[in-house]
Amino acid sequence: EVQLVQSGAEVKKPGESLKISCRVSGYTFTTYWIGWVRQMPGKGLEWMGIIQPGDSDTRYSPSFQGQVTISVDKSISTAYLQWSSLKASDTAMYFCARQGPTITLDFWGRGTLVTVSS
Amino acid sequence: DIVVTQSPDSLAVSLGERATINCKSSQSVLYSSNNKNYLAWYQQKPGQPPKLLISWASTRESGVPDRFSGSGSGTDFTLTITSLQAEDVTVYYCQQYYSPPYTFGQGTKLEIK
Repeated sequence: EVQLVQSGAEVKKPGESLKISCRVSGYTFTTYWIGWVRQMPGKGLEWMGIIQPGDSDTRYSPSFQGQVTISVDKSISTAYLQWSSLKASDTAMYFCARQGPTITLDFWGRGTLVTVSS
Repeated sequence: DIVVTQSPDSLAVSLGERATINCKSSQSVLYSSNNKNYLAWYQQKPGQPPKLLISWASTRESGVPDRFSGSGSGTDFTLTITSLQAEDVTVYYCQQYYSPPYTFGQGTKLEIK
């Protein structure tokens, strides 16, 4: 059974750093790209970027390029999304998802809620 | 970037009636070499992650009820729900995956009339 298990909710202050995770099981991690999607409170879905776990080839949306870093640790089948300096506007739910054989996001994690507040 | 625009933003339909959601991309998402439209539809219920309903514009995922159907080609697409059920009342998104960034539409909220 394919599963993407995301790390728990975070409450941070502006300027702090953060790395959230997405642990994958149920298939060979390096076979499919992993994507990250942001959903701000009460808003729609925003595609942030994707990473190929095999070689860490990464594509970012221009809206998120330079704002976040997507990475993986193949040894533990885990993808990461990190910020070096959080802003209040980073408050959102962040989903990881597998980009499956149809290139769509076919399996999703339950999301990690990130709250940034002073 | 390809801009994806859904219409309407919200839609009220009576139970048992047909619901139609439109999705328009700013450029064609039809890949000529394989004649596939790189367009997907997702359903998102409150407090849950999105669920993939349809890929390649018209291919239903396994387990998705056949009252859901997708159509269209090029830049104009439609998600149709025939005979609306109470559990279908939620938010729907289309997404193009023709070229990164793989942009989503803004979402359509489906409500009961």
